[in-house]
Amino acid sequence: DAGVTQSPTHLIKTRGQHVTLRCSPISGHKSVSWYQQVLGQGPQFIFQYYEKEERGRGNFPDRFSARQFPNYSSELNVNALLLGDSALYLCASSLANRGRVNTEAFFGQGTRLTVV
Amino acid sequence: AQSVTQPDIHITVSEGASLELRCNYSYGATPYLFWYVQSPGQGLQLLLKYFSGDTLVQGIKGFEAEFKRSQSSFNLRKPSVHWSDAAEYFCAVVRSGNTGFQKLVFGTGTRLLVSP
Repeated sequence: DAGVTQSPTHLIKTRGQHVTLRCSPISGHKSVSWYQQVLGQGPQFIFQYYEKEERGRGNFPDRFSARQFPNYSSELNVNALLLGDSALYLCASSLANRGRVNTEAFFGQGTRLTVV
Repeated sequence: AQSVTQPDIHITVSEGASLELRCNYSYGATPYLFWYVQSPGQGLQLLLKYFSGDTLVQGIKGFEAEFKRSQSSFNLRKPSVHWSDAAEYFCAVVRSGNTGFQKLVFGTGTRLLVSP
């Protein structure tokens, strides 16, 4: 079975641009979460979606948005990119019901975003 | 709010020696605790988890962790380290959001170096 897949793996953008990151969860998983990992730090929670609805949002500006599609895949969008948005963006899927993390979260390999 | 602290930024261990990585949690009730490993440029892989029950938890790759409520700790151990264990290790705890969802809160990580 395929694990969590993310695309692209690497991305270079210029300040002010917009970026879309994509995630496909493990088959059967209905919950997708997004995390930002800045170099040298632990991942920070951005969003959680379950059954196409946003269930939780971390402390990130409105420039960050996301959505989940009927097939449970997800997109993370970031507008007006700043240098500080450079990070590894991780997607995680789980069998969690109604946003509850009562089972393990499976992480993808991440998308490395560099803003120049 | 639930949080975890990893007091060691990096640790160097000789190959074949034993390993203990520290994690302290902050939470009044029984927390849901996890240890993840991240190889350079990769996503996160779950090593083990603790929800309840037996306080000594066995994981993959020969790792184990012990939940000690009296010390608010969930330290990761391995009796004999292999060179392939060199990576970043993250302790994480589940935190409940104000809308009822739950998310992972990570520590800052401990980088493990393995010397010959």
